[in-house]
Amino acid sequence: DIQMTQSPSTLSASVGDRVTITCRASQSISSWLAWYQQKPGKAPKLLIYDASSLESGVPSRFSGSGSGTEFTLTISSLQPDDFATYYCQQYNNYPYTFGQGTKLEIK
Amino acid sequence: QVQLQQWGAGLLKPSETLSLTCAVYGGSFSGYYWNWIRQPPGKGLEWIGKINHSGSASYNPSLKSRVTVSVDTSKNQFSLKLSSVTAADTAVYYCARSKWSQGSYYYYYYMDVWGKGATVTVSS
Repeated sequence: DIQMTQSPSTLSASVGDRVTITCRASQSISSWLAWYQQKPGKAPKLLIYDASSLESGVPSRFSGSGSGTEFTLTISSLQPDDFATYYCQQYNNYPYTFGQGTKLEIK
Repeated sequence: QVQLQQWGAGLLKPSETLSLTCAVYGGSFSGYYWNWIRQPPGKGLEWIGKINHSGSASYNPSLKSRVTVSVDTSKNQFSLKLSSVTAADTAVYYCARSKWSQGSYYYYYYMDVWGKGATVTVSS
């Protein structure tokens, strides 16, 4: 299985900050990576697919980049609604695998 | 706007079979893959398997011996069965739709629409 490792596991930030979350794959997954946002008690929500394509309806302050084994999710200016847990997921190989999550907390 | 509604038994005893169904409303059923994903309490996400309208399925090898995913195109529904459950199968189970992106030789599927989740607890 491809291992997906996110860093950091927890991130404390303030409204208006620019934040970056990193996701590393244990082997190359080309650009077949998605990012999801999950709030407590809710289903994950797709933010980014194909590493850098913004899902329809997702605010443009979210962006993704990377290819191969290293990827980043950037939020350009944090809004109160953005405090949540973020997961990366590879869909290059079966079984599809997720990172362990990054919890974004209010500083 | 497509919506996924899921249901099934919420409390099981060890060795019983988990059974969940997900209904698709407001969108096409054919032309997509349909997934099951689970999340144990306080933990991360685990992909279980997927199926398309013609019944072509793929499973996570870690669960493959116990999992069956099936489809009922007449009702726009797909289902999950997980046999011989233990406490380790306690989780929120989600259904989700997969859209595709086209690569050089293959299609690649990401999950764009999710159900709200169903909590399944295994306890004696």
